[in-house]
Amino acid sequence: QQQVKQSPQSLIVQKGGISIINCAYENTAFDYFPWYQQFPGKGPALLIAIRPDVSEKKEGRFTISFNKSAKQFSLHIMDSQPGDSATYFCAASGDRGSTLGRLYFGRGTQLTVWP
Amino acid sequence: DTAVSQTPKYLVTQMGNDKSIKCEQNLGHDTMYWYKQDSKKFLKIMFSYNNKELIINETVPNRFSPKSPDKAHLNLHINSLELGDSAVYFCASSPGDRSYEQYFGPGTRLTVT
Repeated sequence: QQQVKQSPQSLIVQKGGISIINCAYENTAFDYFPWYQQFPGKGPALLIAIRPDVSEKKEGRFTISFNKSAKQFSLHIMDSQPGDSATYFCAASGDRGSTLGRLYFGRGTQLTVWP
Repeated sequence: DTAVSQTPKYLVTQMGNDKSIKCEQNLGHDTMYWYKQDSKKFLKIMFSYNNKELIINETVPNRFSPKSPDKAHLNLHINSLELGDSAVYFCASSPGDRSYEQYFGPGTRLTVT
């Protein structure tokens, strides 16, 4: 059972456009929602993360929006650049029960930004 | 000054062989992990160790055996390799109280022929 559902599977965006990746979860024990970025041939790297008591977090061109009641969160990449082309993973972790001490990853979104 | 390192980077071997992958982190983290990433990029956790103690042991064939000689090292030994074991294996580490903040190694691409 996939604990974190991610869409779309792939995304093609023109340079300068906005890339949007969506994720949803069911387990209310999750209390931290990070996004990871993975370039080909490299390991995933933490990009940005948010707690459910905050509705939005922005770091440079990357913004996480969080909707606690809908149990959904999304990553927005403003002014997308070819260098942003990578696979993006949303994830969730918690501090109790089966969520303690582990990350549950979405299945990833392959982003391609055309110049 | 690599934070999480893995060796080897590539591993090509035949079915039935036994192989090991080594991982070391110099971040001072308490927790280390092994993940398997399949051809569709899905990241699946296999094991987690906290201060040399096994914390997470997912539904993984017992041909896979992790070993943590100290909290900076986590090795993965695989017996009787099968074609389906072909994947990229990632080691990661995190501070003990921040499992959401994981630092991944560069990965080991295992190909079983």
